[in-house]
Amino acid sequence: QVQLHQWGAGLLKPSETLSLTCAVYGGSFTDYHCNWIRQSPGKGLEWIGEVNWRGNTNYNPSLKGRLAISVDTSNSQFSLKLTSVTAADTAVYYCARAGFFGPFDGFDIWGQGTMVTVSS
Amino acid sequence: SYEVTQPLAVSVALGQTAMISCGGDNIGSKNVHWYQQKAGQAPVLVIYRNDNRPSGISERFSGSKSANTATLTISRAQAGDETDYYCHVWDGNTVVFGGGTKLTVL
Repeated sequence: QVQLHQWGAGLLKPSETLSLTCAVYGGSFTDYHCNWIRQSPGKGLEWIGEVNWRGNTNYNPSLKGRLAISVDTSNSQFSLKLTSVTAADTAVYYCARAGFFGPFDGFDIWGQGTMVTVSS
Repeated sequence: SYEVTQPLAVSVALGQTAMISCGGDNIGSKNVHWYQQKAGQAPVLVIYRNDNRPSGISERFSGSKSANTATLTISRAQAGDETDYYCHVWDGNTVVFGGGTKLTVL
């Protein structure tokens, strides 16, 4: 059974870089698209971006200039980096796997979520 | 950019049928997915690609679509269904989530 486990720093100061990693356990890493989604306190879901196992990415245009999503196929991991964070980036961050049809599919497996707080 | 619209809140009597809409221009041509999210937990996929239920999801959950509206239907509503629901589409370049609907079971 495939599981996603994510980790990274939970408290950042303004202007620092948010860095999170998500590992895939128990199943195939290739042929799937891996996504990052965030949810600000009391708000809805916001898509951040995705990467496939070849390293091809799609990003939310509102974050594109600060965002980098990468993949490490040797360790079945994918990572998120968001630079120059502000309080507006405070949120729970999730990694999630899209089904076999990639961007056209739902997110069938989710990580446990990481609360990231940006505060001086 | 593409947008989808969900009602902020829907209420349903216990045991009755709830319908949550997700409206978008020509959404009928896109794949729509639905998530249930309980407080403090990651979302759970309940419908994928319009009308498919993942393994382990109750048959009380179903999805449908028309030209400009997708609908999540929850039959025989239970107290445990009271939570937030989100729709999700791919617009060709980005993933778009609806703003979420809070379902209340009366």
